This record gives sequence, C-alpha cells and structure tokens, in this order.
Amino acid sequence: AQSVTQLDSHVSVSEGTPVLLRCNYSSSYSPSLFWYVQHPNKGLQLLLKYTSAATLVKGINGFEAEFKKSETSFHLTKPSAHMSDAAEYFCVVRALTQGGSEKLVFGKGTKLTVNP
Amino acid sequence: NAGVTQTPKFRVLKTGQSMTLLCAQDMNHEYMYWYRQDPGMGLRLIHYSVGEGTTAKGEVPDGYNVSRLKKQNFLLGLESAAPSQTSVYFCASSYSRNTIYFGEGSWLTVV
Repeated sequence: AQSVTQLDSHVSVSEGTPVLLRCNYSSSYSPSLFWYVQHPNKGLQLLLKYTSAATLVKGINGFEAEFKKSETSFHLTKPSAHMSDAAEYFCVVRALTQGGSEKLVFGKGTKLTVNP
Repeated sequence: NAGVTQTPKFRVLKTGQSMTLLCAQDMNHEYMYWYRQDPGMGLRLIHYSVGEGTTAKGEVPDGYNVSRLKKQNFLLGLESAAPSQTSVYFCASSYSRNTIYFGEGSWLTVV
C-alpha cells in the first residue's frame, strides 16, 4: 500500500532562512507525489507534483522538491522563508483503491512557523 | 470558473440530528471525493465516486452516506450526527490521473 510519512510535525524557521520539510514515501510502484499547503482556515492549494518526469520539481512561491528513489524521499525546500509561508504542509501520494480507482493518501502534516 | 464549491461552510448540529453537505464541481470531472481533516491526522478519505451513479467506501466511511445522482454533484450525509464527527470536511474532484482540486472546506461542529 502507498503511504507517506512526514518526519516533523512542527518546523520553525526565521524569515530569510532556508526551509526544509521532510517526507518519506512507501510505494510498490513508481509513485505520484504531491505537496499541498493549507493556510489557517483555508482550503488546500497544490504547491507542486512529481509524476515520474524530472526528479527536481519546481512549484509555486519558490518551493521545490526532489524525488530521491534510493532514499524514498520527497523533501520540500525553499531557499528563503517569507512570513506568508507560515502554514501547514501536506505530503501526499496517489494510491490505487481496491476497486482500481485512485485516491490521495495524506501525511499527517507539518506546521511551518516563520519568525520575524 | 468556480472549481469545487462546498455548502454550507459552517454548521453546528446537535447530537442525533441529520444533515447533508453538498459538493459541486464545474470541471466535468469523473472522480469526486469526500475527506475529513482532524488535528494531527492529515486528511482521511470517507467516500469517493468514480462516476455518476457510483460510490465507494474510503478509509473512514462509518456514520456517513453519499450519493452521486448527477456528475457535477457529490452529497455527503450524516444520518445521526455524533460528536466524533466534529471535523473539517473537504470535497475534491479530479479527472483520472490528473491533479485533484479541493473545495474550501466545511466546518462542522456536533454538540
């Protein structure tokens, strides 16, 4: 079965410093992986996705993630944090249901705090 | 382009009451999903549908029913609400193997 594990429930950085949000995945086949962001009391917005093309994926707002098959990782990074990046981030893997359709399986989330 | 629209956005229910959450999408997507979000749990799949007239159970289906009578609508029903169903509910839709789009969420409190 496909699953993702977000290694940190909370990450705190200072404005202007790099961001690293860690995600490991488990999949019996080549996975499709996503990062979603959720600002307080808002819905989910897609940051970026990996679907077996380039292993370094660039997303919106300066975020990027690198797919590393040997490490089964898909970590999210940003060179310089901005106050507006404070939110909860979800690593997600696309999985097959028993009926053969598709669903998204979510990690438990990492809450990013950005300090001035 | 409205995307995925959920109604209502907020609701308070008494234990034992029933209600229906409505999800509407205008993207002609085949797949629709209902997730619930609880602190520290991420999003968990309640029910999903792969097309008009079809529904299937997800990870946490107990206490919920769904219907997909029209392709653009996916209804989530609570027949007898319980405090454990206090949560934020998200509807989503997609065209197979493409990006899944989420609604803005519905905050439900059961007292």
